[in-house]
Amino acid sequence: GQQVMQIPQYQHVQEGEDFTTYCNSSTTLSNIQWYKQRPGGHPVFLIQLVKSGEVKKQKRLTFQFGEAKKNSSLHITATQTTDVGTYFCAGPKGSGNTGKLIFGQGTTLQVKP
Amino acid sequence: DGGITQSPKYLFRKEGQNVTLSCEQNLNHDAMYWYRQDPGQGLRLIYYSQIVNDFQKGDIAEGYSVSREKKESFPLTVTSAQKNPTAFYLCASNVGWGQPQHFGDGTRLSIL
Repeated sequence: GQQVMQIPQYQHVQEGEDFTTYCNSSTTLSNIQWYKQRPGGHPVFLIQLVKSGEVKKQKRLTFQFGEAKKNSSLHITATQTTDVGTYFCAGPKGSGNTGKLIFGQGTTLQVKP
Repeated sequence: DGGITQSPKYLFRKEGQNVTLSCEQNLNHDAMYWYRQDPGQGLRLIYYSQIVNDFQKGDIAEGYSVSREKKESFPLTVTSAQKNPTAFYLCASNVGWGQPQHFGDGTRLSIL
C-alpha cells in the first residue's frame, strides 16, 4: 500500500548546527505538507508544496519538493531550542477525493543549548 | 477565534467501559478526522467524515465508532472492544481534498 517514510527518526544537534529531515513517498504526490508537533502538543501546519522542484523558505526553514514529486526535505539552518519537536511530512492519501492525508512517522529533533 | 476544541484533555477508562471523546469545530470545515498517536509514532487514521451524516473507516477503525450528526461535531467512542486504547487521540478538520488539516489539542486516554 501507499507509504510515506521519513529519515532520520531522531536527531540530536547542538544549538547553532543545521538539521535536515527527508521524506520519501512510494507514490507520486500532488502536494506535500509539513507539520510540527511540539512535545506534549498537537501538529501544527507549517507549509504546503505543490510544484515539482518547488523550494520555499520560512525564515531559517527551507522546504523542497522533489522533481518527481515523490520526495521532500526540510532543512533548518542554525537550530535554536525553539525548534525542538517532531516534524511530520504528509501527502494526500489514495487517489480519491477524500481529503485524507498519509503521514510519515516523523523526525524528532532535540537541540542541546 | 476559530478552531477545534477537544475534550476532555485527559480521560481514564475502566475495563469493559465505553468512553466518548468530544471534538467540536467552528471553522465551517466539511471534513473531519480522528487520529491515534502512540508514543514516538506518527498519526494513524481511525475514522473520517467528509460531510454530515456520512463517515468512513480509516486504517485502524476496529474498536472505535463515530457519528456526524452536525457539521461542527464529530465525537469518537472508544468501545470495550478496543483492547489497547491507551494513546493520544487527535481530531482534525479541513476544507477538503489536499488541504492542510487543523488539529485540536488532543485527548490522552489511559486505562485504569
